[in-house]
Amino acid sequence: KQEVTQIPAALSVPEGENLVLNCSFTDSAIYNLQWFRQDPGKGLTSLLLIQSSQREQTSGRLNASLDKSSGRSTLYIAASQPGDSATYLCAVKKTSGSRLTFGEGTQLTVNP
Amino acid sequence: KAGVTQTPRYLIKTRGQQVTLSCSPISGHRSVSWYQQTPGQGLQFLFEYFSETQRNKGNFPGRFSGRQFSNSRSEMNVSTLELGDSALYLCASRVGQGLSDTEAFFGQGTRLTVV
Repeated sequence: KQEVTQIPAALSVPEGENLVLNCSFTDSAIYNLQWFRQDPGKGLTSLLLIQSSQREQTSGRLNASLDKSSGRSTLYIAASQPGDSATYLCAVKKTSGSRLTFGEGTQLTVNP
Repeated sequence: KAGVTQTPRYLIKTRGQQVTLSCSPISGHRSVSWYQQTPGQGLQFLFEYFSETQRNKGNFPGRFSGRQFSNSRSEMNVSTLELGDSALYLCASRVGQGLSDTEAFFGQGTRLTVV
């Protein structure tokens, strides 16, 4: 059974810092990994999608990497801003089926 | 291009009642999945529909059911509501199903409160 773990559970940083969020998964037979952002009481916003054959994806200040063999992904946020404050979730999709297995999320607070 | 639309946004129901939630996927998307989010259990997969057929089902009791219409819109139904069913219910939309599909897009969710 696939298990996804995110560390840390919560993170508080001053504005302008670069930071790294971690995601690990137990079953390396994944098709892709997706990072999401969730604001309180809201739905999920897709940030980055990495296919299993890719090593990284970039969008603006965000960079996500994937090491499938070791079961790890990182989300790097450069020059953090207060507007980045949210919960960040990673989810993996197995090679069979379409269901996503989510981690518990990292709650990020960026202080002005 | 319109995103994933879920209605209603908020619901308050009494124990024992039933409820129906609706999800309209992005135009052209044929796969709809449902997830339940609670503080204790996080995000858990309920079921997935593609071409009006349930393709995958999570580990939830039979009180949770769903269906998909020919226009890809989906509904989920929860019967005999329990207090523990209080949650944010999220719907995800994909272009296709299986290995050929890619990014999942989520709606804003329906907040269900059972009293």
